[in-house]
Amino acid sequence: AQTVTQSQPEMSVQEAETVTLSCTYDTSESNYYLFWYKQPPSRQMILVIRQEAYKQQNATENRFSVNFQKAAKSFSLKISDSQLGDTAMYFCALNTNAGKSTFGDGTTLTVKP
Amino acid sequence: GAGVSQSPSNKVTEKGKDVELRCDPISGHTALYWYRQRLGQGLEFLIYFQGNSAPDKSGLPSDRFSAERTGESVSTLTIQRTQQEDSAVYLCASSLVRTGNYGYTFGSGTRLTVV
Repeated sequence: AQTVTQSQPEMSVQEAETVTLSCTYDTSESNYYLFWYKQPPSRQMILVIRQEAYKQQNATENRFSVNFQKAAKSFSLKISDSQLGDTAMYFCALNTNAGKSTFGDGTTLTVKP
Repeated sequence: GAGVSQSPSNKVTEKGKDVELRCDPISGHTALYWYRQRLGQGLEFLIYFQGNSAPDKSGLPSDRFSAERTGESVSTLTIQRTQQEDSAVYLCASSLVRTGNYGYTFGSGTRLTVV
């Protein structure tokens, strides 16, 4: 069975600053994929970034980057130059080729002006 | 279609009534998923379709819940004899790749309120 844990229910950051959201996971599979999704108040979940476990290089998408520590089973999301539009709930997810993804409980991020 | 479409967007029903929630995935996406999200919580897996077969329905919480899919098209999630505990947002997602390894495209969800 897979588990995903997000230990920070809520976080806040000042506009233009950097924030890091934490995620740890557990799986016995050697090949898997990790994701961060964003869910703004509009409710539409959007894929932010994806990491393949067999790749050591950390994924980057514009202002979003991850710190993937495979041995520690840690997958944190760093948001640089935070913008008001980044205010949302962020979910970490794990997919192990079984079809379904397992999601964490989410972190609510508020960007303050 | 351009995205995953879910209907209705909101549904209020009386306890004991049956409801049907609809999901129209992106054209060509073979995999389709249903998740439930209670207020302020994470996503709870319900069922996964590959084409019109359901290789994993382990998340359906009781026999009041059922789902079907027509080919690689529309899916319907049916909840019979609704209970107040069924109140939640029901999210549908689809994926081009069978395993979902490239991530999901989600619909906007159906907010179900059982009164």
